[in-house]
Amino acid sequence: KAGVTQTPRYLIKTRGQQVTLSCSPISGHRSVSWYQQTPGQGLQFLFEYFSETQRNKGNFPGRFSGRQFSNSRSEMNVSTLELGDSALYLCASSSAGGNYGYTFGSGTRLTVV
Amino acid sequence: SQQGEEDPQALSIQEGENATMNCSYKTSINNLQWYRQNSGRGLVHLILIRSNEREKHSGRLRVTLDTSKKSSSLLITASRAADTASYFCATDGDKAGTALIFGKGTTLSVSS
Repeated sequence: KAGVTQTPRYLIKTRGQQVTLSCSPISGHRSVSWYQQTPGQGLQFLFEYFSETQRNKGNFPGRFSGRQFSNSRSEMNVSTLELGDSALYLCASSSAGGNYGYTFGSGTRLTVV
Repeated sequence: SQQGEEDPQALSIQEGENATMNCSYKTSINNLQWYRQNSGRGLVHLILIRSNEREKHSGRLRVTLDTSKKSSSLLITASRAADTASYFCATDGDKAGTALIFGKGTTLSVSS
């Protein structure tokens, strides 16, 4: 069974630009969550989607948005990039609302210069 | 904001020794999970313990949960160099399906 696939693996962007990250969950998993990991703030929840609906949202500015498609694939978008957005962005998928744990992708390392 | 705090922040041991990491959290939970992260990579799910369980085993891992003290511990027995990684506890609140809230993690270094 294929794992959670995140693309791209690495990304370098300039301040002010926008970026779109992609996540393909494990087949059959309908829940996709996104997390940001930085050395200073650790792992922080961005948002969670289930059946194309955003169910939960973390405490991030409106520049961070996401969506989920009918095949459960998800994208997150960050507009007007700031230096502080440099981070590892992790996607996780689950079945049964995470009651059996989450499977994480390898992440997208975003560097904003 | 962080829900949990792991203790210690860093741990260095020799191969064959046991490693114990502790996690404290603040609010009621549905379950508590432990994850491992090798440098710069994704998180790997290790074990999940539900709020009505007190202890759980998986291979060389033993997890305990004390909901009265809002704390959990992860014991790795007979550590190997390959266990070198960061370990995070995560809680999901008391409503199933809510977001995971992670602690800052314990960095474990196992030398041969």
